[in-house]
Amino acid sequence: QQQVKQSPQSLIVQKGGISIINCAYENTAFDYFPWYQQFPGKGPALLIAIRPDVSEKKEGRFTISFNKSAKQFSLHIMDSQPGDSATYFCAASSDTNAGKSTFGDGTTLTVKP
Amino acid sequence: DTGVSQNPRHKITKRGQNVTFRCDPISEHNRLYWYRQTLGQGPEFLTYFQNEAQLEKSRLLSDRFSAERPKGSFSTLEIQRTEQGDSAMYLCASSLGDRGHETQYFGPGTRLLVL
Repeated sequence: QQQVKQSPQSLIVQKGGISIINCAYENTAFDYFPWYQQFPGKGPALLIAIRPDVSEKKEGRFTISFNKSAKQFSLHIMDSQPGDSATYFCAASSDTNAGKSTFGDGTTLTVKP
Repeated sequence: DTGVSQNPRHKITKRGQNVTFRCDPISEHNRLYWYRQTLGQGPEFLTYFQNEAQLEKSRLLSDRFSAERPKGSFSTLEIQRTEQGDSAMYLCASSLGDRGHETQYFGPGTRLLVL
């Protein structure tokens, strides 16, 4: 049973455009939702994270939108740049089991110049 | 470089052989995690340690897999009698804290190919 479903699998955006990646979760015990960025040959790196007590969190060009009732959250990348081209993973964990993160299957983003 | 390091970076082995990977976490990080990542998928949790104690093991971690973290420092992940299905990237991460949800810092991974 996949607990975190991520879409789309791949995304192509023009430079300056908005990239949107969506995730849906099933386990209502999840209370921490990070997004990771992974470049080829590297491990994932934390980009931004949100808890369900807020509906939106913004850090620079990156924004997480969170809909608790729909059990969905999304990553928005504003003014997308070629350097943003990478694979993005959403993840989720619960406070009672914070050591165990469940990841989505990833979205490969390509930003065309 | 003070990040998480993993060795070796690549390992090719024949089916049935044993392999061991090492992870050196960021200094003073008390939590250490192992994940497995196959092509086109996100990392799958395998196990994690708080200091030297192994707190949880995934069902993915069969009896052929064993992880240790002696003295709460570096960790090793051993796979015995490797199978072709074990071919994957094995990622290690570390974090500081004991209340959960601390930032996990990932290493570059060890890519295993079982022939």
